[in-house]
Amino acid sequence: DAGITQSPRHKVTETGTPVTLRCHQTENHRYMYWYRQDPGHGLRLIHYSYGVKDTDKGEVSDGYSVSRSKTEDFLLTLESATSSQTSVYFCAISEGAVATGELFFGEGSRLTVL
Amino acid sequence: GDSVTQMEGPVTLSEEAFLTINCTYTATGYPSLFWYVQYPGEGLQLLLKATKADDKGSNKGFEATYRKETTSFHLEKGSVQVSDSAVYFCALRKAAGNKLTFGGGTRVLVKP
Repeated sequence: DAGITQSPRHKVTETGTPVTLRCHQTENHRYMYWYRQDPGHGLRLIHYSYGVKDTDKGEVSDGYSVSRSKTEDFLLTLESATSSQTSVYFCAISEGAVATGELFFGEGSRLTVL
Repeated sequence: GDSVTQMEGPVTLSEEAFLTINCTYTATGYPSLFWYVQYPGEGLQLLLKATKADDKGSNKGFEATYRKETTSFHLEKGSVQVSDSAVYFCALRKAAGNKLTFGGGTRVLVKP
């Protein structure tokens, strides 16, 4: 199994509160990603990182920010959570296009915003 | 923009039946194509892939052929088992980047 740990695995919060999800990897992979999974939408990319302090937006980045101060950690922050951000969040890592391009996924973090 | 369309589920089958999940894509250039599988309560894991036209990916009895003329990458398995019950995702990756674009997922339920 790829060494990816997401925390917390489950969280219930209230509208308007800040939330931070953490993704930690032990593989030293360059690329890290945050996806959200919603019924009927599959997985949609929120943000990704291609190195320390190098991040970029995905297709559904509004309301989210990220930070990567170390190779092994990629944080996803919801500054003020809304009910539309209730979802399952997956972190993924990749060696990059020069390798197989395969993404390895964490087990997911289920967030409920009341 | 790039997109992946796959048949909606759920698909319910009996054990040993033949499984097909349709996947078509829209993308410029020559993307790589993937099938990922998600078992209950788990993250996604790569099932198979194909990187160029006419390539066939295969794994665990599943197969898919990259058809550029029909922009398709349909997943097939000749004889499914209960353990194949999962959600299957088709995805593409453009050659110029390292981001995957996923389809909506197809839930498959195999009954004994």
